[in-house]
Order: sequence, then C-alpha cells, then structure tokens
Amino acid sequence: SQTIHQWPATLVQPVGSPLSLECTVEGTSNPNLYWYRQAAGRGLQLLFYSVGIGQISSEVPQNLSASRPQDRQFILSSKKLLLSDSGFYLCAWSRDQGRGYGYTFGSGTRLTVV
Amino acid sequence: AQSVTQLDSHVSVSEGTPVLLRCNYSSSYSPSLFWYVQHPNKGLQLLLKYTSAATLVKGINGFEAEFKKSETSFHLTKPSAHMSDAAEYFCVSSGYSTLTFGKGTMLLVSP
Repeated sequence: SQTIHQWPATLVQPVGSPLSLECTVEGTSNPNLYWYRQAAGRGLQLLFYSVGIGQISSEVPQNLSASRPQDRQFILSSKKLLLSDSGFYLCAWSRDQGRGYGYTFGSGTRLTVV
Repeated sequence: AQSVTQLDSHVSVSEGTPVLLRCNYSSSYSPSLFWYVQHPNKGLQLLLKYTSAATLVKGINGFEAEFKKSETSFHLTKPSAHMSDAAEYFCVSSGYSTLTFGKGTMLLVSP
C-alpha cells in the first residue's frame, strides 16, 4: 500500500533562518507531488506541484522554493524565513492529477516563525 | 476556471442530529468532486469522491454526498452526528492539474 511521510511535525524557526521540509512517498512510482500551505481561516493554498523528477511548477510567488531530487521525494525550502511563512504545511500525492483518486495528504508540519 | 464555495464557515449540531454541510461548485466541464475532513493539526483525510458514476456517493464514517448538476451542488450529509465528527471539512473540485479547495466548514458537535 502507498504511504506518505512528512517531517518534522512541528518546527519553530527564527526570522531569517533557512527552512527544509521533506516529504516522501512509498509504494508507488512517478506520483504527482504537491505542497500546500494552510493559514488560519484561509483554506489551503497550493504552493508547488511536480509531475516528475526536476519538474516543479510554482503557483504563488514567494520566498519559498521546492525541489524533487528523486521520484518519490519532494522538498520545500527557504533561504530566509519571514514571519508570514508561519502556517501549516501539507504535502500530498496523487496518481492522476487528482481527478479520479483525489489526493493523499501527509500529516502536516506546523511551522512557527518567531 | 473552477471555483468551490462552501456556504457556511461554521455549522453547529447536537450529537445524534443530522449534519448538512453545503458546497456549490463552478466548472466549465463535468468535474470530479471530493470531500475531505481535517482534525486539528492533522493532515486531510478523504471522505468520499464523485467521478461521474452514481450521483449519490457514500463515504466513510456514515457520510454521503449527492451530486446535483442542475443545482451545481455537492452537499455532505450524515443522518446522526457523533462527537468524533467535530472537525473541519473541505469540499474540493478537480482541475486540469491540481485540485481547487473550498475555504472549509468547521463542524461543531455538542453533547
């Protein structure tokens, strides 16, 4: 069966520090991968998605970046965090761009920038 | 362009009473539609999905939803609420390459 792992679960980082959140998927190959951010009262915002190794599409301009160094690994990064980067970050994967099967989400990372 | 509107930001029910969470969608083609549930500080869990088969879709934990094309609606229902149903619920529509999420409805269940 397929599983998705996301870590860390919580993170407190000072303003200006770097960020690296990792997401891995097991039990499938060539998944579509997604990073979402969820801010209180604002629903889910798609940040990045990837349909293959090295292929990253950015939905929202910001100081975050994403990389996909391996087929089942998706990394969210920042060189210098801002206070506004605080939020709940969710990684997800899908087989078919979500149309038939929907997405499977990781358990999320609560990021607090102080 | 697609959009999803969840008509209520909060819904309060008593345990044992019916649940209705409303969702309207806008799409230029026949969409795939989903309902997800999120408990505090947890990821999103798929409750059910509609992909142009039966219009009445049954999901996990006793939830179901009915796709009504004439009303562009996909409301989520449950006959009898349980305390463990208290969570945030998201109505979601499929897009060409990603999903479009509603803003969520917080379901509050009182004893």
